Amino acid sequence: SQQGEEDPQALSIQEGENATMNCSYKTSINNLQWYRQNSGRGLVHLILIRSNEREKHSGRLRVTLDTSKKSSSLLITASRAADTASYFCATDANDYKLSFGAGTTVTVRA
Amino acid sequence: EAGVAQSPRYKIIEKRQSVAFWCNPISGHATLYWYQQILGQGPKLLIQFQNNGVVDDSQLPKDRFSAERLKGVDSTLKIQPAKLEDSAVYLCASSPWTSGSADTQYFGPGTRLTVL
Repeated sequence: SQQGEEDPQALSIQEGENATMNCSYKTSINNLQWYRQNSGRGLVHLILIRSNEREKHSGRLRVTLDTSKKSSSLLITASRAADTASYFCATDANDYKLSFGAGTTVTVRA
Repeated sequence: EAGVAQSPRYKIIEKRQSVAFWCNPISGHATLYWYQQILGQGPKLLIQFQNNGVVDDSQLPKDRFSAERLKGVDSTLKIQPAKLEDSAVYLCASSPWTSGSADTQYFGPGTRLTVL
């Protein structure tokens, strides 16, 4: 079974707008990671946040983690057409492996 | 640095046939993973290797799926016989070993399998 659940399932925004997606999980974690998958391609790692961290930034990406609510959010600022992809959260529940959610599909309209 | 290589990229077979996928991880990465990704879902871990030993194969359907990583480098995943529900993208990933947590994983482009 999948540990993480992303919300929403799909998101459509205008170029230049911000995109926010959320991930909820069930058990305590060591770290949480976000990956991007372009259509028909492999996954690309975006950012890793550890359980003792609350926020991380990487370029136009901002990730938050609330372990008390067992949730994380990924914010993409000033979106571009190239950001059109599926985004997955993956959790490491202290068992040396990642459990992926079903993903959020983001479409950026020109 | 070369990425994770997988072949073939696409494969179409009929049910009950056998198929094999190959993966070459990033040089020096001790951990290798095989995932199955069904359309519209996230990747599901099938098997995890640490060097040439199996760490986790709890979700591998062992009656039809097998995998090996004989010299601790490249790996082969086999399905025999294939079923319609095996249609999916098979992703290989690798990561350097760091004790205590699951590392960043580097994914190959995947093999898209269609079973008719």
